[in-house]
Amino acid sequence: GQQVMQIPQYQHVQEGEDFTTYCNSSTTLSNIQWYKQRPGGHPVFLIQLVKSGEVKKQKRLTFQFGEAKKNSSLHITATQTTDVGTYFCAGPNSGGYQKVTFGTGTKLQVIP
Amino acid sequence: EAQVTQNPRYLITVTGKKLTVTCSQNMNHEYMSWYRQDPGLGLRQIYYSMNVEVTDKGDVPEGYKVSRKEKRNFPLILESPSPNQTSLYFCASTSHGGSNQPQHFGDGTRLSIL
Repeated sequence: GQQVMQIPQYQHVQEGEDFTTYCNSSTTLSNIQWYKQRPGGHPVFLIQLVKSGEVKKQKRLTFQFGEAKKNSSLHITATQTTDVGTYFCAGPNSGGYQKVTFGTGTKLQVIP
Repeated sequence: EAQVTQNPRYLITVTGKKLTVTCSQNMNHEYMSWYRQDPGLGLRQIYYSMNVEVTDKGDVPEGYKVSRKEKRNFPLILESPSPNQTSLYFCASTSHGGSNQPQHFGDGTRLSIL
């Protein structure tokens, strides 16, 4: 079945350092979404990418969708303590576009 | 305020005792879904519903049931809970299409089955 893996699983960074999480799908995705889950909270939608090679920015966050539409990345520049949380990618399941597959998540800890 | 409401937030119960986790949304969304979250496994879809009386299995449906009799409600039923169903559960909704629109999540239900 379809797998969506994220690396790394955990990342500790010093405040001010950059951070990147990578999302890799075993199948081609028509689109990819990114969510953030704060500790003790629920996932919150960040952004959706649709086009091959697409790059979108939200302040210090940069999202990329790979040319082959099988991978994506989220890069945070100059992390802040407010960036702490788990970041998930999500895309349509190869078993049907109404099904959704989430990545395994990357937990980010920012050391002040 | 637009929201997805789950109840209960926490539940400790015993093996075999039927339980229902309720989910309600006030955004008139067509699509609703249940996920379980386990360490290292991310969020896995249990069941989803594209509209009233239309439900389908996600990736991990075994041991769960759902129903969608009204547009706003999508309860998750565990007929005979077992310890491997101990997990954090999230309900989510979106206007239409599971992966094409942002999903709005409830606050989660932490289930412990002894």
